[in-house]
Amino acid sequence: GQNIDQPTEMTATEGAIVQINCTYQTSGFNGLFWYQQHAGEAPTFLSYNVLDGLEEKGRFSSFLSRSKGYSYLLLKELQMKDSASYLCAVNSNYQLIWGAGTKLIIKP
Amino acid sequence: GAGVSQSPSNKVTEKGKDVELRCDPISGHTALYWYRQSLGQGLEFLIYFQGNSAPDKSGLPSDRFSAERTGGSVSTLTIQRTQQEDSAVYLCASSRRQDPDKLFFGSGTQLSVL
Repeated sequence: GQNIDQPTEMTATEGAIVQINCTYQTSGFNGLFWYQQHAGEAPTFLSYNVLDGLEEKGRFSSFLSRSKGYSYLLLKELQMKDSASYLCAVNSNYQLIWGAGTKLIIKP
Repeated sequence: GAGVSQSPSNKVTEKGKDVELRCDPISGHTALYWYRQSLGQGLEFLIYFQGNSAPDKSGLPSDRFSAERTGGSVSTLTIQRTQQEDSAVYLCASSRRQDPDKLFFGSGTQLSVL
């Protein structure tokens, strides 16, 4: 079967750094995506990795290791507005497989 | 339009009634997706359109669910004889041919079946 695992919930402090992990077992791999979803809103695109390594985009970075079936989303200088769910998704044979999302709670 | 538009934003219906949910994708986006999201859950894939054809209907949970897309634009998701377990947020997303996996989501339709 195809499976994507991410922690259900994480808590971090404003101004700190948090790393949200995602592991996947899929029949194919054509890229991994991270989306942000605020409560009651639609998901929005954050990042895309298809090659191994780190992609940096401002306060957010995403890392991929294809051999390990592993990715993480790194959020720096956390702000209260970063409180949201973070969804990991894998393009497997041109079908997007979604994780259940990680709810990130930011405390002052 | 500027973004993906879905209507209605909220729909309350009685068990056994039929409902139609509409999605108007971003102009020029060839791919259109329907997802369902129950409270606190991840995204459940329903159906995918490329143009007017639906190469992947594997996610439709039962034959009560159907979808169509006309003119390569607007799509309608129809749920017949609604059941309480159909209650969820139904999200539509579209993407460009050149960047098929970068999805732009609508704000969803909150369906409540009483």
